Amino acid sequence: KAGVTQTPRYLIKTRGQQVTLSCSPISGHRSVSWYQQTPGQGLQFLFEYFSETQRNKGNFPGRFSGRQFSNSRSEMNVSTLELGDSALYLCASSQEGPPYEQYFGPGTRLTVT
Amino acid sequence: QKEVEQNSGPLSVPEGAIASLNCTYSDRGSQSFFWYRQYSGKSPELIMFIYSNGDKEDGRFTAQLNKASQYVSLLIRDSQPSDSATYLCAVYNNNDMRFGAGTRLTVKP
Repeated sequence: KAGVTQTPRYLIKTRGQQVTLSCSPISGHRSVSWYQQTPGQGLQFLFEYFSETQRNKGNFPGRFSGRQFSNSRSEMNVSTLELGDSALYLCASSQEGPPYEQYFGPGTRLTVT
Repeated sequence: QKEVEQNSGPLSVPEGAIASLNCTYSDRGSQSFFWYRQYSGKSPELIMFIYSNGDKEDGRFTAQLNKASQYVSLLIRDSQPSDSATYLCAVYNNNDMRFGAGTRLTVKP
C-alpha cells in the first residue's frame, strides 16, 4: 500500500497570507489527524477528522481549520499567517479499531517570512 | 490535563549497549501505547505498539507496559549508530492521541 502523502512538501509564505495543505491517507484509512511540530513545542495536535467530521480539536486559534472529503483526503487551512506559524505540519492516518496506530506522512515545511 | 512525559535527554550509549527509554502518562484510561522514531528533518515512524501489560519484543526492540504504574518503556538491544534519533512516546484513549516531547538518543561508535 502507498503511504500517507502530503502536498506541497515545502512552502514559503508572507505574513498575513493564507495557506492550504493537503493530505491523502493510506488507502482504507478513514481517520486523519494533523499536527504542528516546532523545535520548541514538539508535536502539537491540531485536529482529527473521521468520515468528514471533526472528532477532536487541539488548542489552536480559529485561524487553523480543516476539512475532510468523502474519499478521506483532508486539507488544513491557516489564515492570516504569523511568523510563529513556521513549522513542520504533519498529517497522520489510521484505521478504526485497536490499536489505533497512526502512520505519518512526510510533512509540509511551512516558512512564514 | 492528560500528559505524556519523557526524559528529553540526550541519552548517549556506546554501540552494542542497551538503550532504555522511559515514558509516563497521566490518563489511567489509556488504551494503546506507541513508540515512534524520528530522524532529524524526517517525520515520525512507528516502530512498536503495545496495549497489554508486560513485554512485547520485535527484533532488537522490546516495549514494556505497566498500567498500574502508568509507565511504558522501550529497550533497544545491541544499539547501532543508525538508532540515533528522537524517540516519541504516544498514548491513545478514546480518539485522543497524545505525544511526549521525545527523548534524543545518540549511539556512539
